[in-house]
Amino acid sequence: SQQGEEDPQALSIQEGENATMNCSYKTSINNLQWYRQNSGRGLVHLILIRSNEREKHSGRLRVTLDTSKKSSSLLITASRAADTASYFCATDVGFQKLVFGTGTRLLVSP
Amino acid sequence: DTEVTQTPKHLVMGMTNKKSLKCEQHMGHRAMYWYKQKAKKPPELMFVYSYEKLSINESVPSRFSPECPNSSLLNLHLHALQPEDSALYLCASSQEADSGNTIYFGEGSWLTVV
Repeated sequence: SQQGEEDPQALSIQEGENATMNCSYKTSINNLQWYRQNSGRGLVHLILIRSNEREKHSGRLRVTLDTSKKSSSLLITASRAADTASYFCATDVGFQKLVFGTGTRLLVSP
Repeated sequence: DTEVTQTPKHLVMGMTNKKSLKCEQHMGHRAMYWYKQKAKKPPELMFVYSYEKLSINESVPSRFSPECPNSSLLNLHLHALQPEDSALYLCASSQEADSGNTIYFGEGSWLTVV
């Protein structure tokens, strides 16, 4: 069953711009993870944020989590063409049962 | 680069065939997973193995049969599949099968059922 809705479904920006993707979910979570997927490829883990954390950074990535609103956001700063991919949030609802959101397709043009 | 290796990368099989997908990890992880991903959809959990024992089966049809021969290997046996089973099958692993562990995915096996 689908837990997360991501918004926007698709995002098109120029290199150097920032990209923000949002994820909303329905039930309580233990943590939330963000993944990147290049077309037809496997998932690459980007960042894990625990339910008691509000913000986390990793390189050009910034993730926020608001458990009261059941939402998370992923910000990619100074985007590059190589960031073109689909981005998924995944909520850990227990026993390592990851439930993925609908995904955002990001296109970064040179 | 992922340290979860899946073979084959592509598989075409008929509805009466029996085939297997294989997955291997050498990170010493004790939890392994199978996910299914249809085109333009998010991945969906199929099975979870923890310490080589099946701990979660998400009501997957019996034509999919998982097997964990040891802590490094995970197989998915396929028999009498339907065309709608065509999808990307993703294997993953994590240190333990509890919350807070990062789950690492392989590149997937593209399955086409004809």
